[in-house]
Amino acid sequence: RKEVEQDPGPFNVPEGATVAFNCTYSNSASQSFFWYRQDCRKEPKLLMSVYSSGNEDGRFTAQLNRASQYISLLIRDSKLSDSATYLCVVNSPQAGTALIFGKGTTLSVSS
Amino acid sequence: SAVISQKPSRDICQRGTSLTIQCQVDSQVTMMFWYRQQPGQSLTLIATANQGSEATYESGFVIDKFPISRPNLTFSTLTVSNMSPEDSSIYLCSVYGAGGEDTQYFGPGTRLTVL
Repeated sequence: RKEVEQDPGPFNVPEGATVAFNCTYSNSASQSFFWYRQDCRKEPKLLMSVYSSGNEDGRFTAQLNRASQYISLLIRDSKLSDSATYLCVVNSPQAGTALIFGKGTTLSVSS
Repeated sequence: SAVISQKPSRDICQRGTSLTIQCQVDSQVTMMFWYRQQPGQSLTLIATANQGSEATYESGFVIDKFPISRPNLTFSTLTVSNMSPEDSSIYLCSVYGAGGEDTQYFGPGTRLTVL
């Protein structure tokens, strides 16, 4: 089983749509969870951290279910500029603050 | 946040040669890491660069192939030794702990092509 697994994608949605990405992780000892965004030929950039109580940042909502080892990201009212690859990321318990990345889910928002 | 620069930004190298990639951050950071992103793949951790001591390598990566230095809290180098076409990838430096933040930032990456 891969350490971090994500929806395969790609997701092709119209502007204004709501889209949800799911992710599971295998190591129950992981303590930190993130969603990163990676644009084509660019480095990953932190989108948001994911907290146990769930958290929201504008149109983005992240949820964490530790019992199921499941993380989600919801994007409401999609914009063209949301088109990117979204990476589910957890910390590596064996390597401190180093991160383990999922393969990413590609989102394409069209007008 | 942290401003991270990497040199070179890209290179095309011949098989059997070595390339050293530099990573410079604009403030002192707690941790520095090196990742690899192969075409169409996600990021894979190569090693944690430890200041003043040998790097900590992940499974599948060894010091002879990827020697790493970290002489101070703002600078690190990764060398890709005896390159083969399979080493063609993007190599990214990342830092953790800039300004006390619990966030990991990434450099712009070095795009390496080995012929």
